[in-house]
Amino acid sequence: GQNIDQPTEMTATEGAIVQINCTYQTSGFNGLFWYQQHAGEAPTFLSYNVLDGLEEKGRFSSFLSRSKGYSYLLLKELQMKDSASYLCAVRDALTGGGNKLTFGTGTQLKVEL
Amino acid sequence: DAGVTQSPTHLIKTRGQQVTLRCSPKSGHDTVSWYQQALGQGPQFIFQYYEEEERQRGNFPDRFSGHQFPNYSSELNVNALLLGDSALYLCASSFQGKSTDTQYFGPGTRLTVL
Repeated sequence: GQNIDQPTEMTATEGAIVQINCTYQTSGFNGLFWYQQHAGEAPTFLSYNVLDGLEEKGRFSSFLSRSKGYSYLLLKELQMKDSASYLCAVRDALTGGGNKLTFGTGTQLKVEL
Repeated sequence: DAGVTQSPTHLIKTRGQQVTLRCSPKSGHDTVSWYQQALGQGPQFIFQYYEEEERQRGNFPDRFSGHQFPNYSSELNVNALLLGDSALYLCASSFQGKSTDTQYFGPGTRLTVL
């Protein structure tokens, strides 16, 4: 099974940088995803890591260390609209083929002026 | 390019009733996964459908069942509803043939059981 931990809440200032950490323990690992979810809305795909290192996509970057079971999501130049829940999800293969995602509880980020 | 769509948006049922939720995958996708998201929690995997077959299910009882149609759309059925079934039900679609197999989520169906 999977065990995924991320902080429950974080607060940051508009224009700043924030790092959201995620640690996981897994019996099978096939990639790590970050999703953004605004209240009452669907999760939106942000990033994907399967190999160690940093993936950059505009204001968002995600890092993975498989040996440490650790990932982080870095958000730069924070904007008020970045206030949302950020979900870390580990993908593992299904016995019948395909993949399933196991999610953490999400980190609620509040961006303040 | 239409994304993942789900219906209905909201639903109110009473204990013991049955409910059917529907999902149409993103254009070009052939795999549908269903998740349950309780308030303040991350989504939990219910099951996944590919080629009209259920691949595997998560830790959910047989009251939860599903179906996938030849056009790749899917239904989630829940029988004998319990108060604890109140949640946001999310459908996610993906393409089996792509290595990253990223799952894209629909807007969800908010189910309230009274």
